[in-house]
Parts: sequence; C-alpha cells; structure tokens
Amino acid sequence: GDSVTQMEGPVTLSEEAFLTINCTYTATGYPSLFWYVQYPGEGLQLLLKATKADDKGSNKGFEATYRKETTSFHLEKGSVQVSDSAVYFCALSEAAGGFKTIFGAGTRLFVKA
Amino acid sequence: DGGITQSPKYLFRKEGQNVTLSCEQNLNHDAMYWYRQDPGQGLRLIYYSQIVNDFQKGDIAEGYSVSREKKESFPLTVTSAQKNPTAFYLCASSRSASSSYNEQFFGPGTRLTVL
Repeated sequence: GDSVTQMEGPVTLSEEAFLTINCTYTATGYPSLFWYVQYPGEGLQLLLKATKADDKGSNKGFEATYRKETTSFHLEKGSVQVSDSAVYFCALSEAAGGFKTIFGAGTRLFVKA
Repeated sequence: DGGITQSPKYLFRKEGQNVTLSCEQNLNHDAMYWYRQDPGQGLRLIYYSQIVNDFQKGDIAEGYSVSREKKESFPLTVTSAQKNPTAFYLCASSRSASSSYNEQFFGPGTRLTVL
C-alpha cells in the first residue's frame, strides 16, 4: 500500500541555517503531495502542496519539488528562524488509496537563536 | 472566520467511562476525519465521513464510534472498549473525499487523559 517515509528527527539548527527535511513515498499511481506543519499543542496546518510531477510548492520561504523519478518531495528553506520550530509532516493522497491522506511520522525541528 | 473547532481542549476520563469529543466545521466541507496522535508518532485514521449519514472505519476504529447527522458536526465517542485511549485527538475536514487535490483543514485538537 501507499506509504510516506521521512527523515527521523529531531533536527536541530541555528537561526539562519539551511534546512532540508527528506521525504520519499510509495504510491500506486500519481498522488498529490503535501507538507503540513504542527506547532506545539496545535493541530496541523497545510504548509505547501504539489499535485503533479515537477511542480514546486512554496509558502513562507519553504519549498518542495515533486520528483516522480526519485519518488521524493524534500522540504527546504534557505534561512530558518526560531519561529519555524515545529513538527513537519509529509503526506500523500491518491485515487488508488481511496483519496485517504497518508502521513509520514513527522520530523521535529528545533531552531536555536 | 471559517474553521474547525474542537472541544474540550483537555479532557480527563476515568477508566470504564465513555466520553464524546466534539468537532464542528463551518467551511461547508463534505468530508470529515478523526485522527489519533501519540507522542512522537504520526497520525492514525480512526473514522472518516464523506457525506452526511455515512461514515467508514479507518485503520484503528476499534473502541471508537462516530455519527454524522449534520454536515457541520462529526462527534467521536471513545468507549470503554478502547484499551489505551490516552492520546491527542485531531479532527479534520476537506472539501471532498473524492479528490486527491484537496488538502485537509485541522482543528486544534483534544488531549484525552484516562486516569
């Protein structure tokens, strides 16, 4: 079945460092791909998404490109801030999976001032 | 402001008691979902509903029940049959459950603790 694999955390960075969180997926067909962010004690909120190969999703300085050839959707940000400290979830949804959203385990990011 | 509300934010329950978690949305979304999140883990799907008066079991439905009598509301009951109910419960909605393009919108969550 469909699955999403994320790099294990926690990831600890200093402010203004470059961020990459790796995400790879397994899917039957052509899924849509998402990154969600969860701040402490809150629900998840959509950060960005991409619905077809080579699409780049971007929001708040974060970017991720849908790479079908490597089945990846890595999250990047050029310069992180303390306020980016949160848990980041990679996810997919596709018709073959009944359009249910499959979430990765999440990667916790700590940014130090 | 459109969104999803969950109540209460914190809930304490004695063993052997049933408890109902509330979830309301005013986004006019057709689909609603309940997830369970345990510390350091991802989300596991409990139940979902694509339309009013219809719902399906997710991956971990045992010990839980739901109803969908109104489009706006999707309450979750944690029954005494749920062996390990202490967790963070998240409700979500999406415009439709028949498209892969639609993102999910989440409520703030309810933290349930069994004493």
